[in-house]
Amino acid sequence: ETGVTQSPTHLIKTRGQQVTLRCSSQSGHNTVSWYQQALGQGPQFIFQYYREEENGRGNFPPRFSGLQFPNYSSELNVNALELDDSALYLCASSLGFEGKGQYGYTFGSGTRLTVV
Amino acid sequence: EDQVTQSPEALRLQEGESSSLNCSYTVSGLRGLFWYRQDPGKGPEFLFTLYSAGEEKEKERLKATLTKKESFLHITAPKPEDSATYLCAVKKRVNSGGYQKVTFGIGTKLQVIP
Repeated sequence: ETGVTQSPTHLIKTRGQQVTLRCSSQSGHNTVSWYQQALGQGPQFIFQYYREEENGRGNFPPRFSGLQFPNYSSELNVNALELDDSALYLCASSLGFEGKGQYGYTFGSGTRLTVV
Repeated sequence: EDQVTQSPEALRLQEGESSSLNCSYTVSGLRGLFWYRQDPGKGPEFLFTLYSAGEEKEKERLKATLTKKESFLHITAPKPEDSATYLCAVKKRVNSGGYQKVTFGIGTKLQVIP
């Protein structure tokens, strides 16, 4: 059973650019959630995808968008990058949007994005 | 507004010195409370889910308990490898589509000294 994998692990972008982060969910999981974690803070919910549709969104502007593919992998896209977007971006997968089951939501190791 | 407050923000223990971490929450319609462990530069690692007041779960040196307003993570005889940030999160159902919002606290950074 594979876990959640994210790519790339680290990324440096310039303010105003666009970035795409990728996530492969754990085998058997059909729901993916994305989180932003600033240094010293807890993860902040961005949005959740279930069966290729967004079914929940946190307090993030529209320049944060996502996709989920038929194989349940997912992308997070951020347009017009700002300095405050620098953070660890985490992907979490689960079986169903309730995150029930023995392991709840399974997180990947994240992508460290630095905006300069 | 949903709130999750963890205390203390940082805790330094001697190896073998037992203690407890606190997570107090304000959320309507709680559908579950999670505890995660996070090592530096890594994603959170699932520890426990608690669903109702009075529930307790144990794993090795860790024991999580839940009341209607707070949860405790008890660490018995900790070892240096228990050093990490411990995150608490609550979830609630938001809409008829089934989306369940998860709100994290900022965590307690635990350091266990040999």
